[in-house]
Amino acid sequence: KQEVTQIPAALSVPEGENLVLNCSFTDSAIYNLQWFRQDPGKGLTSLLLIQSSQREQTSGRLNASLDKSSGRSTLYIAASQPGDSATYLCAVSLLSGFQKLVFGTGTRLLVSP
Amino acid sequence: DTEVTQTPKHLVMGMTNKKSLKCEQHMGHRAMYWYKQKAKKPPELMFVYSYEKLSINESVPSRFSPECPNSSLLNLHLHALQPEDSALYLCASSQEPGGETQYFGPGTRLLVL
Repeated sequence: KQEVTQIPAALSVPEGENLVLNCSFTDSAIYNLQWFRQDPGKGLTSLLLIQSSQREQTSGRLNASLDKSSGRSTLYIAASQPGDSATYLCAVSLLSGFQKLVFGTGTRLLVSP
Repeated sequence: DTEVTQTPKHLVMGMTNKKSLKCEQHMGHRAMYWYKQKAKKPPELMFVYSYEKLSINESVPSRFSPECPNSSLLNLHLHALQPEDSALYLCASSQEPGGETQYFGPGTRLLVL
C-alpha cells in the first residue's frame, strides 16, 4: 500500500526566506506526482505536476524536484511571502491505478511579515 | 474557465435527512472525482467517474450515492448519514481519467447532527 509522508508537519518562517518542503513515498511505481496548496477551509489548488520521467518542474518562485528511485520529492519556495501561508500537499498517482491520487500528510506553512 | 463549482457551501443535516451535493464544471473534462476530507487530514478518494461511468468506488458506505447525469455535472446523494460523516466534501475534475492535473472545487462543509 502506497504511503506518502511529508516533513515537516508545520513550518514557520519570516518573510523572504527560501524554504524546502519534503515529500516521501513508499512505492516508486508512480505515474506522476503533484503538489497542491490548500487555504484553510478551502479547496485545493494545483501548483506543479511532475511526470515520472521528469526530474523537476518550475513555476515562478516554485520549483519541484522528483527522485523516483529514492521515493522523494521536494518543493522549493524562493523568497517566501505572507501570501504563501497555507497547507501544502503532495499527491502521487500510481502506475497500477493512475486515476487515484494518494495524498501526503501535508505541511502547514506560516510566513510572517 | 478553469473553475469547478460546488453547492451548497455549507450543509447541516440530521441523521434521517436526505440531501444532495452538486458539482459542476464546464471545462470539457471527462473525469470527475469525489473526495472526503476530515479536519487536519489529507483528502481521501471516494468515487471516480470516467466518461460518465463510475470507474472507482473506494468501498464507500451505501449511504453515499454518486450520480453523473451528464459530462458537466456530478452529484452526491446523502441518506441516513452518521455524525462521523461530517467533513469537507471536495469535487475535482481532470481532462482525462488519470494522470492529469486535477482541478478542485471549494468544497461543501457538511455537519451531521
